[in-house]
Amino acid sequence: NAGVTQTPKFRILKIGQSMTLQCAQDMNHNYMYWYRQDPGMGLKLIYYSVGAGITDKGEVPNGYNVSRSTTEDFPLRLELAAPSQTSVYFCASTRGGGNQPQHFGDGTRLSIL
Amino acid sequence: QQQVKQSPQSLIVQKGGIPIINCAYENTAFDYFPWYQQFPGKGPALLIAIRPDVSEKKEGRFTISFNKSAKQFSLHIMDSQPGDSATYFCAARSSSNTGKLIFGQGTTLQVKP
Repeated sequence: NAGVTQTPKFRILKIGQSMTLQCAQDMNHNYMYWYRQDPGMGLKLIYYSVGAGITDKGEVPNGYNVSRSTTEDFPLRLELAAPSQTSVYFCASTRGGGNQPQHFGDGTRLSIL
Repeated sequence: QQQVKQSPQSLIVQKGGIPIINCAYENTAFDYFPWYQQFPGKGPALLIAIRPDVSEKKEGRFTISFNKSAKQFSLHIMDSQPGDSATYFCAARSSSNTGKLIFGQGTTLQVKP
């Protein structure tokens, strides 16, 4: 099992460019999440999904979009990159129900210059 | 009310010491309190978790103490080792229907040999 796979691992973007951060899980988990991690700020929830075709906003959704067309994939889209979006992005998944842990990928480090 | 406040921000102990990390919350609807451990360049991984109807949970050298009336919980690491050097996050689950977690700001622990 690969678990949660995020690509790319690193990326540098110019202001105004767009990109998609990929996230895939092979554990047949229903629930998936996108977080951003900034120094001293913990992890902030951007978007989440409780199943294919269902997405909802988290704490910090502005400037991002998501889609969930399959159970396995949950891509995060940045349409017009801004310096404030420089961060480390983590994708996580969980089976849902009960006290199932969230399983995290190893992150995408994104710099916007 | 949706915040989880974590302290200290950083902690240095000698090998064999007992670092203690504290978290406080406001929302009494939180129903599950996990701790995550993160090594540099990796995603967070579940370390130990507790439900609010339990006052203490121990797994190996890691113990959570939970004080429901004070709305506080803490992580104790017994006989700490250099390999425990990592960033630790407390979290609280805001909804079992979505599995959404609110994370504390994180504590960077260094255990000196």
